Amino acid sequence: DAKTTQPPSMDCAEGRAANLPCNHSTISGNEYVYWYRQIHSQGPQYIIHGLKNNETNEMASLIITEDRKSSTLILPHATLRDTAVYYCIVRADGSGNTGKLIFGQGTTLQVKP
Amino acid sequence: KAGVTQTPRYLIKTRGQQVTLSCSPISGHRSVSWYQQTPGQGLQFLFEYFSETQRNKGNFPGRFSGRQFSNSRSEMNVSTLELGDSALYLCASSLEAVKNIQYFGAGTRLSVL
Repeated sequence: DAKTTQPPSMDCAEGRAANLPCNHSTISGNEYVYWYRQIHSQGPQYIIHGLKNNETNEMASLIITEDRKSSTLILPHATLRDTAVYYCIVRADGSGNTGKLIFGQGTTLQVKP
Repeated sequence: KAGVTQTPRYLIKTRGQQVTLSCSPISGHRSVSWYQQTPGQGLQFLFEYFSETQRNKGNFPGRFSGRQFSNSRSEMNVSTLELGDSALYLCASSLEAVKNIQYFGAGTRLSVL
C-alpha cells in the first residue's frame, strides 16, 4: 500500500501558485519524498524529490516539514499544461535499492483559465 | 538523449492469446521497471530488472513475465490473456546510482477483446 495520503482533487487558477499537499506520517529516516505527475494518457513524469531540506528546480519547489511527516509541492505559476494527476511517493534511495515505486491515487490538479 | 521507448504504442488482442511488449531504456540506464495502469487499480508495479536479473516482483500472476537483455532492453510477456489485462503498460528506466530517478516511457495501450 502507498505510504502517502493526498487530496483526490484540487483546482488552481492559471498564473497562480498551486500548492499540493501530501501526508507521509510513517516515513522512515532513509526515505525520500518523490513527486511525479501524469498528464492524461502519458507516462508519469519526474518532478522533484527531497529528503529533509527544501528543494527547488526549474519545474517546482518541494517543502518538507521539519518532522518530515508531510510535504507540499509548489508550482509557482500554474499553466493549463500543468493540469495532471500528481503523485507523492516515499521510497528509500541508495545504491542497490530497487526501482519499485508505490503509487497512490494521487491528486488531480485542474488548472482553470 | 533519447527517452524511454516503448513499442508498440497500441495493441489489440483476443482472450487466450499472448503478447510481448518491448522497452528500450535511456542510454546508460541499467534498471528497467514495468508497471500496469488500470482505471480501477491505478499504477501497480509489475517487476524490475537490473543486469538481466529480476530484482523485484509485484503481486501479479505467473502469466506475467519479463526479461532483460545484455543491452538493457527489456521485454514483458503476458500469456493466456484475460479481459482484465486490458491496461496501459508502462516501462521506466533508471541509473543504478544513489538518486534513482525513474524515467517513464509513453506506454503501450493493450486492449483484450
